[in-house]
This record gives sequence, C-alpha cells and structure tokens, in this order.
Amino acid sequence: AQSVTQPDIHITVSEGASLELRCNYSYGATPYLFWYVQSPGQGLQLLLKYFSGDTLVQGIKGFEAEFKRSQSSFNLRKPSVHWSDAAEYFCAVGGWGGGNKLTFGTGTQLKVEL
Amino acid sequence: GAGVSQTPSNKVTEKGKYVELRCDPISGHTALYWYRQSLGQGPEFLIYFQGTGAADDSGLPNDRFFAVRPEGSVSTLKIQRTERGDSAVYLCASSPRQSGSYNEQFFGPGTRLTVL
Repeated sequence: AQSVTQPDIHITVSEGASLELRCNYSYGATPYLFWYVQSPGQGLQLLLKYFSGDTLVQGIKGFEAEFKRSQSSFNLRKPSVHWSDAAEYFCAVGGWGGGNKLTFGTGTQLKVEL
Repeated sequence: GAGVSQTPSNKVTEKGKYVELRCDPISGHTALYWYRQSLGQGPEFLIYFQGTGAADDSGLPNDRFFAVRPEGSVSTLKIQRTERGDSAVYLCASSPRQSGSYNEQFFGPGTRLTVL
C-alpha cells in the first residue's frame, strides 16, 4: 500500500529564511510525487510534480523539490520565504496502479514570522 | 476558464439526515475524484470516476456513502444517515483523461460538512 509521511506538523521560519519541508513515501513501483499548498478557505494548488527524469524539479512561487529514491524522500525547498507562503503544505504520491488516485500526507503547517 | 466548482460551500445537518454534495468538473475532463479531508489530516481518497462509471470506489468508508456521475460530467456524493464522524471537508478534483499519461488533478474549494 502506498503511504506518505510528513514528520513535521508545524514549522515556523522568519521571512527571508530558507525552508525545507520533509516528505517520505512508500510505494511499490515508480512513484509520481506531488506537493500541494492549501491556504485557509482555498482549494489545493499544485506547486510541483515529479514523474521521471531530472530529480530536481522546479515549481511555482520559487519552490523546488528533490526526489531521492535511495531515501524515499521528496523534500520541498525554498531559498527565501515570503510572508505570503504561510499555508499548509501536503506531499502526495500516486501512480498508475491506483487509477491515478493520490495518497496524501498529514500536512505541514507553515508559519512565517515577520 | 472556470475551475472545479462545488456546492454548497458549507452544509450543516443533523445526525441521521441525508445529504448530497455536488461537484462540477472542468469542462471536458473525463476523470473525477472525491476526497475527504478531516480536521488536521490530509485528503483521503473516496472514489474515482472515468466517464460515467466508478472505476475505483475502494475509499468509500461504508455503504452509507454513494456517488454518481450519470452523464459523465457533474457528480453527486450522497451520504445517508449522517453521523458526527462524517464531518469533514469533501474535495472534488478532475483531470483531463486517465489513459496514456498521468494527468494533474485540479481541485475544487471543497464542501465543509458539519453533522450536529
């Protein structure tokens, strides 16, 4: 069965500081990996995705993530956080076997201090 | 273009009542998904439609939950004899197609269901 672990429930960073959100996954085949962001009252917005190829993927809003197969990880990074990045971030895994259904982690709540 | 829309945005009901939640996918999207997001959790898969048929309903928690998509567009999630534990945000997503490649799912804003 596929699963996703986001070990950090809450993270607080200062505006302008760098950010790394951790994600570990379990999947029996080649995974498709995603990071979504959810702001209060808003739907899930896709930040970036990994299907294959270059293990460092770039997304919207200056985010990037690196796929490390040996560590079963797909950590999200941003070099300089903006106050508007405060939101909840979800890592998700999917694949062909499941009809493209996604399995999400429990999320990391990001707080940005000014 | 218009995104995925869900109605109502909020629904408050009493324990034991029946509710229907509606999802309008992006025009032309053949795949439609329902997820449930409980407080403090990530979304959990409920059911997936490809066209009019439910291709995977393995996430439906029990037989009180049912979903339809009669014309391959709008979908309705139906919950009978609601329980307090059904309180959650119900998310709908659609994607262009399922076969041939993996396609991004576009999510709606959700329906917040509260069962008193």
